[in-house]
This record gives sequence, structure tokens and C-alpha cells, in this order.
Amino acid sequence: EAGVTQSPTHLIKTRGQQATLRCSPISGHTSVYWYQQALGLGLQFLLWYDEGEERNRGNFPPRFSGRQFPNYSSELNVNALELEDSALYLCASSLSRGSYEQYFGPGTRLTVT
Amino acid sequence: GEDVEQSLFLSVREGDSSVINCTYTDSSSTYLYWYKQEPGAGLQLLTYIFSNMDMKQDQRLTVLLNKKDKHLSLRIADTQTGDSAIYFCAHYNFNKFYFGSGTKLNVKP
Repeated sequence: EAGVTQSPTHLIKTRGQQATLRCSPISGHTSVYWYQQALGLGLQFLLWYDEGEERNRGNFPPRFSGRQFPNYSSELNVNALELEDSALYLCASSLSRGSYEQYFGPGTRLTVT
Repeated sequence: GEDVEQSLFLSVREGDSSVINCTYTDSSSTYLYWYKQEPGAGLQLLTYIFSNMDMKQDQRLTVLLNKKDKHLSLRIADTQTGDSAIYFCAHYNFNKFYFGSGTKLNVKP
């Protein structure tokens, strides 16, 4: 069974541009979580989607947004990129809302220059 | 209820036991987890414990939970160089997961 996949692996953008990151959950999982892991820091919760709807978001500005598609894959968009947005962005999926196990993808390394 | 604290570094010799500690503030957490992150990779779920348990053993891994002190630990027996990684403690409550900053385990041959 395939795990959580993310694309691209690496993404280099310049300040002010927009970045789009993609995530495909494990087959059968309906919940997708996004986290930001800045260098040397822990995971900061960004967004949670379940059954196509945004269920919760972390303490991030509105230029961080996303969506979940009918096939439960998800997209994270970061507008007006700033240097401090450089980080590893991790996606995780879980079986459903209320499921207490989540499984992570390998991440997308975003570098903003 | 979001604070999860871990020490930043731990260094052990190959073959010794490693103990990684974590404290959290939210007493209503239902599940507590340990994840492993190798360089350049995502997080791998190692093990988890339900909050009404004191201990869980899984091969070389032993998780101890002291709910009164809100203290979680992960013991790795017979630590190997392949165990070198960052270990994250996390807890789950009300459909949200809260993570610590991670403990970097360095295993010396």
C-alpha cells in the first residue's frame, strides 16, 4: 500500500511569489494535515482538511491557504512568499476525522530567496 | 494545552539504552506518540500509548507514561547507529496533534 506522497520534493521561489505544494493521502484516508517545520524547530500545525472541508487552522496568516479535492488529495498554497517561509512542509493523513493515528509524507522543502 | 517540551540533544554509545523524555501540559490528552525523523525525511510513527496506560512495550521500545506528572518517556534498548535521528513527542486532543521540538539522538559507535 502506497504511503502519503508529496510533490515536489524541492521548490525554490523568490520573495513575493506564490508556491503550491501537493499531497496525496494513503488510499482510504479522508483527513489531511499540513505542518511547517522550520530549520531546527518542531512541527507547527498549519491546516487540517477532512471530507473536503477545512476543519481547523493553526496560527498562520491568511496567505497560507489550501484545499482538499474530491479524491482527498490536498494542495497548500502560500502567497506573497517571505524569506521566513523557507521550511520543510509536511503532509500527514489519517483514516477519518477523530482518528488518532496519522502518517506522514516525506515533505516538500521550500526555499525562498 | 499545546506545550510539549523535550530536551534538544541526547548522545549515547552503541549498545547502551537511550531514554528520551517529554513533558506536556494538557492533562486531557487522549493519545501520546513518539515519532522518528531521519535526515531529509518525514516523520515515522514509532509507537503510541493511550492515556489510561502506564507502559507499552514494543520490541526494543518501551514507553512510560506518568499522567500525574504529565511526563512521557521513550526507552530504546540496545541502541544502534541506525537509531540516530530526531525523536518527536506528540499528543492528541480534540482532533489536533501537538508536537514537541524534537530530541536529536546521536549514537556513537
